[in-house]
Amino acid sequence: DQQVKQNSPSLSVQEGRISILNCDYTNSMFDYFLWYKKYPAEGPTFLISISSIKDKNEDGRFTVFLNKSAKHLSLHIVPSQPGDSAVYFCAASIAGATNKLIFGTGTLLAVQP
Amino acid sequence: DTGVSQDPRHKITKRGQNVTFRCDPISEHNRLYWYRQTLGQGPEFLTYFQNEAQLEKSRLLSDRFSAERPKGSFSTLEIQRTEQGDSAMYLCASSLVAVISGDYGYTFGSGTRLTVV
Repeated sequence: DQQVKQNSPSLSVQEGRISILNCDYTNSMFDYFLWYKKYPAEGPTFLISISSIKDKNEDGRFTVFLNKSAKHLSLHIVPSQPGDSAVYFCAASIAGATNKLIFGTGTLLAVQP
Repeated sequence: DTGVSQDPRHKITKRGQNVTFRCDPISEHNRLYWYRQTLGQGPEFLTYFQNEAQLEKSRLLSDRFSAERPKGSFSTLEIQRTEQGDSAMYLCASSLVAVISGDYGYTFGSGTRLTVV
């Protein structure tokens, strides 16, 4: 039962253009969403998050959009840089004592110089 | 503090052997998590500690798996009688109690890659 889905295994973008990574979820109880970036041989690194009470959160070149009615979120990277090339994971959580995360399967972003 | 440390980085073991991994979280973090990541998948939750108390275990954590966090500091994850299906990256993460602020952004370690042959 994949509660968090990233349907695009990979994405290739030219340097300087916008990268849009998508994520869908099925559990309406999720109230917090996060994006992590992962380089090979390293652990995931927290990138940006959004609460379900918001529809947008911005941090520098990174913006996350949340559409609760569609159970969809997206990460926009503008402008994309070669150093952004990595696997991006979407994750979701339900508020509570544990704060465990449910991750998607990831999208490999390749930013071409 | 250099972040979350995991040891070893790589472990190759024969099927049936026992293995133990160690995680040293960020010192002021009282929450510690173990996740497992297999090829082509995202990390999957295994277990959670708040201080020394193990408060939640996933059904993925069979009775061959045991985790401890003595004194609420470092943690160990032991797998007994390893099977080829245990081959994966085992990730440790830590965080502060920060529910109010909504900061769910754990700090992950670099992981221990286990290969069972």
